[in-house]
Amino acid sequence: DAGVTQSPTHLIKTRGQQVTLRCSPISGHKSVSWYQQVLGQGPQFIFQYYEKEERGRGNFPDRFSARQFPNYSSELNVNALLLGDSALYLCASSFGSGGSNQPQHFGDGTRLSIL
Amino acid sequence: QQPVQSPQAVILREGEDAVINCSSSKALYSVHWYRQKHGEAPVFLMILLKGGEQKGHDKISASFNEKKQQSSLYLTASQLSYSGTYFCGTLPGGGNTPLVFGKGTRLSVIA
Repeated sequence: DAGVTQSPTHLIKTRGQQVTLRCSPISGHKSVSWYQQVLGQGPQFIFQYYEKEERGRGNFPDRFSARQFPNYSSELNVNALLLGDSALYLCASSFGSGGSNQPQHFGDGTRLSIL
Repeated sequence: QQPVQSPQAVILREGEDAVINCSSSKALYSVHWYRQKHGEAPVFLMILLKGGEQKGHDKISASFNEKKQQSSLYLTASQLSYSGTYFCGTLPGGGNTPLVFGKGTRLSVIA
């Protein structure tokens, strides 16, 4: 079975632009979470979606938004890009709605560089 | 509240053992452990739930002491393939609260 797939793998943008990142979860997984990982740090939670509804939001500005589609794939949008948005963006899927006993399965990420 | 991992980095020779600690100032519901190799996605290792259980995955095991609000990851007879950065993720609440990851422990195993 295919794992979590993310596209694109790399992206270069300039300040002020907008970007859309895409994620397809493992087949059968209904929950998708987005994380931002800067160099030398652990992943930081941005959003979680389950059954197309937002279930959680991390401490990120309103420039960050996301949605989940009926096929459980997801998009993360970032507007008005700043230099500080440069990071690896990870998508993770899990079978249920998340919670203590649900492992997260990560994709390889999209590396976003802002010039 | 971000969990604190220690040590920040460790270098081992093949066959040596290591312990990585993860502690939180908040009461924990569960602890997740992941390993990330350079340029790759984090890979799930194991989850520990309240109850102090110990789990194992090959020669990697972990314990969870909810009274002390900490978890430890034990790597025995380390192999070159164990190299990577280990992250603990904690769930301060149950249900759908998001994982909060520590800053990671970089483990390097040399021949």
